[in-house]
Amino acid sequence: GQNIDQPTEMTATEGAIVQINCTYQTSGFNGLFWYQQHAGEAPTFLSYNVLDGLEEKGRFSSFLSRSKGYSYLLLKELQMKDSASYLCAVPLAAGNKLTFGGGTRVLVKP
Amino acid sequence: ETGVTQSPTHLIKTRGQQVTLRCSSQSGHNTVSWYQQALGQGPQFIFQYYREEENGRGNFPPRFSGLQFPNYSSELNVNALELDDSALYLCASSRDGPGTGELFFGEGSRLTVL
Repeated sequence: GQNIDQPTEMTATEGAIVQINCTYQTSGFNGLFWYQQHAGEAPTFLSYNVLDGLEEKGRFSSFLSRSKGYSYLLLKELQMKDSASYLCAVPLAAGNKLTFGGGTRVLVKP
Repeated sequence: ETGVTQSPTHLIKTRGQQVTLRCSSQSGHNTVSWYQQALGQGPQFIFQYYREEENGRGNFPPRFSGLQFPNYSSELNVNALELDDSALYLCASSRDGPGTGELFFGEGSRLTVL
């Protein structure tokens, strides 16, 4: 089976940095996704990591360590609009049927 | 705006009733997946359709069924509704078949079962 753990909630200040951790257990590894979901809206794709290391996309970066079953999403220069849930997900098998974690709700305060 | 549209956006049903939810995938996307998202939780995979055939199913009972049409749009049907079926139902389409690739989600259909 698959198991994904991420913190339930985090609070940070506008302009700061927040790191959202995700640990996973899978029988095989086929990459890891991060999605952003604003309240009442559809999840939107942020990143996909399949190799170890850090991938940077503007203010957002995602890191993967396959040996540790660990990933994090780093949000820099936080803005109020970054208040959302961030979902970590891994494919059930080779493909895009995803198992999601419970999501981390990030609240950005002024 | 992902180009994936779902209907209805909200609906209320009572226990034992049946519901049909609809999804139009983004143009050119041949794979549609359905997810159930309970309040405060992450989405759970229900099933996926590729070329009008079911291509994988999560841990959901047979009263959850689906269809995919030749134009790649899809339906999710739930029979004998239970209170725990109250959730946001998300449809996601992808372009390159069931292989690894970005999913594009619709805004969802919020179902309340009373």
